[in-house]
Amino acid sequence: QVQLVQSGAEVKKPGSSVKVSCKASGGTFSSYAIIWVRQAPGQGLEWMGGIIPIFATANYAQKFQGRVTITADKSTSTAYMELSSLRSEDTAVYYCARETTGRGYSLWGQGTLVTVSS
Amino acid sequence: DIQMTQSPSTLSASVGDRVTITCRASQSVSSWLAWYQQKPGKAPKLLIYKASSLESGVPSRFSGSGSGTEFTLTISSLQPDDFATYYCQQYNSYSITFGQGTRLEIK
Repeated sequence: QVQLVQSGAEVKKPGSSVKVSCKASGGTFSSYAIIWVRQAPGQGLEWMGGIIPIFATANYAQKFQGRVTITADKSTSTAYMELSSLRSEDTAVYYCARETTGRGYSLWGQGTLVTVSS
Repeated sequence: DIQMTQSPSTLSASVGDRVTITCRASQSVSSWLAWYQQKPGKAPKLLIYKASSLESGVPSRFSGSGSGTEFTLTISSLQPDDFATYYCQQYNSYSITFGQGTRLEIK
């Protein structure tokens, strides 16, 4: 059974960076797109960007360009999302999700709460 | 970027009702449209992919239709477990977009 397991909750100061991991266990990792989605408290889902590990090239939502970096380590089946220059508005639950090609995103991590507070 | 607009934002309904949620894209996404259900504190759950294909394990009371720019999610007979928030998502372009969500609440 394939699972995506994310790293634990983080509390960060404004201006700092956070790096969240997403480890795939029990199945294929490299061939499928991994995306990162965030959800601020009481708000909707917001796509941040994604990567297909076998190609190693990420694409990002325009809103996060220059602030987010998505990478993948095929050797450990782990994807990473790093967000820099954090501000209070970045307080949110961050999810990773894996596509089954053409069939939407059926596999989701459990979410990682990132709190940005001075 | 492709914008996705869902309606209504909130829907009040009773157990047994048939409900429909609409999602409109600002430009054609062909059939690359998915629907998700989300409950508080949980990750989204895929219900429908490619506009009308039912994800494995999802009850058949859920159905999707549409192509191009107009899509619908229909729940044929609401069950207590269905009260949640629903999101559409286009995955046609290199840039993914979600609708703003429809909260389905008990009347």
